[in-house]
Amino acid sequence: SQQGEEDPQALSIQEGENATMNCSYKTSINNLQWYRQNSGRGLVHLILIRSNEREKHSGRLRVTLDTSKKSSSLLITASRAADTASYFCATDGGTGKLIFGQGTTLQVKP
Amino acid sequence: DAGVIQSPRHEVTEMGQEVTLRCKPISGHNSLFWYRQTMMRGLELLIYFNNNVPIDDSGMPEDRFSAKMPNASFSTLKIQPSEPRDSAVYFCASSFRGYRPYTDTQYFGPGTRLTVL
Repeated sequence: SQQGEEDPQALSIQEGENATMNCSYKTSINNLQWYRQNSGRGLVHLILIRSNEREKHSGRLRVTLDTSKKSSSLLITASRAADTASYFCATDGGTGKLIFGQGTTLQVKP
Repeated sequence: DAGVIQSPRHEVTEMGQEVTLRCKPISGHNSLFWYRQTMMRGLELLIYFNNNVPIDDSGMPEDRFSAKMPNASFSTLKIQPSEPRDSAVYFCASSFRGYRPYTDTQYFGPGTRLTVL
């Protein structure tokens, strides 16, 4: 069964705008990760946030984690056409495997 | 580093044929994962190895699917006999399983697009 569920399923914005994607999960986690998948390619790791962290930044990416609500958000600031991709959250329950959500498809229009 | 290598990149076969997908993980990684991705079902974990030992194969759909990891640098996923519903993109990923607190991140290969006619 899917652990993470992303919202929205699809998002279309103009270049320069911010994009926010949300992820909800069901069970306790060790960490939560976000991955990007460009069309026809494998997934690429973007950022990891541990269960004892609330916010993390990496370049134009900002991730938040609320373990009480079992939710996370990924914010991409000043989006670019090259950010067009699918974004997946994945939860690590400490078992060594990740459970991926269904993903959010982001389209950034130039 | 060349990253995770998968072969073939594309495979077209007829129903009933045997299909073998291959994966070479990143050197030094001790965990290997096989995933299947379809539009309908998303990304599904099929099987997970740690130190060449299968740890969790609960995602393997049925006995037609089998996976092996004879050594740290090679794994195969075999489908025999193949069926049209097996058509999907199959990804291999590897990671290094360290110590608590675990912060494993997975590195994905480019995938094998399988079409079963």
